[in-house]
Amino acid sequence: EAGVAQSPRYKIIEKRQSVAFWCNPISGHATLYWYQQILGQGPKLLIQFQNNGVVDDSQLPKDRFSAERLKGVDSTLKIQPAKLEDSAVYLCASSLPAGYEQYFGPGTRLTVT
Amino acid sequence: AQSVTQLDSHVSVSEGTPVLLRCNYSSSYSPSLFWYVQHPNKGLQLLLKYTSAATLVKGINGFEAEFKKSETSFHLTKPSAHMSDAAEYFCVVSVSGGGADGLTFGKGTHLIIQP
Repeated sequence: EAGVAQSPRYKIIEKRQSVAFWCNPISGHATLYWYQQILGQGPKLLIQFQNNGVVDDSQLPKDRFSAERLKGVDSTLKIQPAKLEDSAVYLCASSLPAGYEQYFGPGTRLTVT
Repeated sequence: AQSVTQLDSHVSVSEGTPVLLRCNYSSSYSPSLFWYVQHPNKGLQLLLKYTSAATLVKGINGFEAEFKKSETSFHLTKPSAHMSDAAEYFCVVSVSGGGADGLTFGKGTHLIIQP
């Protein structure tokens, strides 16, 4: 079984630029999550989707971050404009209906200069 | 709101000796508790989880954890450390409600294994 796929694996941008990350969950997984892991900290939930609907986005900085999950499969997380403090690893995870084990992708490491 | 506190940022043990990684949690409701491991440049992997069944939970690679409600603790142990156990370990809590079940991670404990 293929795991959660993410791309790109690494991205370097300058502050005030825009960036987008892509996630392809495990086939059949209805729930998709985006987490932000700043160096030296544990991951923090940004947003949770159930199929293509948002379940929880309470910790998403909506002035600059946006996410969508069209057709209930792939998802894209966008940052516009980026700030220095957005430097982090962005992790995507998926699960069968909420409440089941979450499987994590390898992450996208973002560096904002 | 729920939270977890990992009491040690770094733990160093000798190979073959016991491992103890400490975690306290706070939750208004009955939580689900997890331990995840993150090896360098690798993804997060679930070690074990507690979901209100047996209080002693056995996981992969010889790890286990005991849920103690009276102490609000969920410490991770292993009888004998192996060099391959060197990694970052996260204690995690989740409270499901309204379909939302995002994980709340602790800050992590870096486990160092001395040869």
